[in-house]
Amino acid sequence: DGGITQSPKYLFRKEGQNVTLSCEQNLNHDAMYWYRQDPGQGLRLIYYSQIVNDFQKGDIAEGYSVSREKKESFPLTVTSAQKNPTAFYLCASMALSGQTKRNYGYTFGSGTRLTVV
Amino acid sequence: AQKVTQAQTEISVVEKEDVTLDCVYETRDTTYYLFWYKQPPSGELVFLIRRNSFDEQNEISGRYSWNFQKSTSSFNFTITASQVVDSAVYFCALSEYGNKLVFGAGTILRVKS
Repeated sequence: DGGITQSPKYLFRKEGQNVTLSCEQNLNHDAMYWYRQDPGQGLRLIYYSQIVNDFQKGDIAEGYSVSREKKESFPLTVTSAQKNPTAFYLCASMALSGQTKRNYGYTFGSGTRLTVV
Repeated sequence: AQKVTQAQTEISVVEKEDVTLDCVYETRDTTYYLFWYKQPPSGELVFLIRRNSFDEQNEISGRYSWNFQKSTSSFNFTITASQVVDSAVYFCALSEYGNKLVFGAGTILRVKS
């Protein structure tokens, strides 16, 4: 079945460490997104990518980095510069209709819960 | 800039009551999409509905119904005869032509038996 796989489900990071969250999709979707969710808050956009080898900052990109070397993969690295990384991270993907970029809806992964210890 | 407001932080109802979750949005685009998602305790986002800005027809799906009114920039969600399994966080979201999805803060729904 097609879908998005996020791993790991739970991740613990020590102070000063970089960690990478994995997001893989087999839906042949063009666009991929990373969101962060804090308790009692909605989801905020970190980074997104509409095509391979290209990505844009979202609303809270500071302290994060991404890459999009393959269409199927969009890993997120939480760097030591992110001072408060404890949160729930969700990856999403969406098909685009080419030039019109029509929205066909989003598919979300099951999330990674990151905790700083 | 686009913005989604869910003014109700938390709602508690007793089973079988009807409940309406409010969503108000702001956008400058004439072409946009509105969504509702359910987030159970497991954390996954469950897609409920997508509506584009040119389709103001209300929709009913089982116990769920949605009322889209462009005149008031609202996209409200009603659960009829609520059940304990409906307990979750519900998010309203907006996507403009450029396809970024912006979420409201969410409404926690607690349905008690």
